[in-house]
Amino acid sequence: AQKITQTQPGMFVQEKEAVTLDCTYDTSDPSYGLFWYKQPSSGEMIFLIYQGSYDQQNATEGRYSLNFQKARKSANLVISASQLGDSAMYFCAMRLKAAGNKLTFGGGTRVLVKP
Amino acid sequence: KAGVTQTPRYLIKTRGQQVTLSCSPISGHRSVSWYQQTPGQGLQFLFEYFSETQRNKGNFPGRFSGRQFSNSRSEMNVSTLELGDSALYLCASSWTGDQGYGYTFGSGTRLTVV
Repeated sequence: AQKITQTQPGMFVQEKEAVTLDCTYDTSDPSYGLFWYKQPSSGEMIFLIYQGSYDQQNATEGRYSLNFQKARKSANLVISASQLGDSAMYFCAMRLKAAGNKLTFGGGTRVLVKP
Repeated sequence: KAGVTQTPRYLIKTRGQQVTLSCSPISGHRSVSWYQQTPGQGLQFLFEYFSETQRNKGNFPGRFSGRQFSNSRSEMNVSTLELGDSALYLCASSWTGDQGYGYTFGSGTRLTVV
């Protein structure tokens, strides 16, 4: 069965600094996708970045980049130049090709950006 | 392009009652998935509907059910509500194409059972 682990329940980061959020996954399926979502207090899940298991390059989207280490089964999110609006819960999620559109989520990391 | 619309946003129900939540996906998206989010269990997959058929189901009791209409709008129903059903219920509209696949979530329905 697939599993996603986020070991950091919460962290503080200084405004304008970079922060790395950890995510490790476990699956024997060779075809999968990894997602990061941001969830502010309003509840909506906002898509940040995606990495496919066969992608050769690490994904980047603006201030977000994904440090994909396939052999280690890790997909860490890096947020550069943190802003106050980045304060939120962050979830790592995985989709297995064999499981259709089902997403499996990690437990999340709460990020608080300090001015 | 309109996003995923979930109604209602907030709901308070009494134990033993039933509730129906609605999700309207992005136009053209045929797949709708539902998730339950609680502080204790985190985000858990409930079920997925595609073209009016349930395609995948999570590990939830039969009190949780859903359906999808021909316009892709989906409803989920919870019967005989329990206190533990208090949660944020999120639906996700998904697409698959030559560019890959993706998901867009609604803002959720926050259900409180008293």
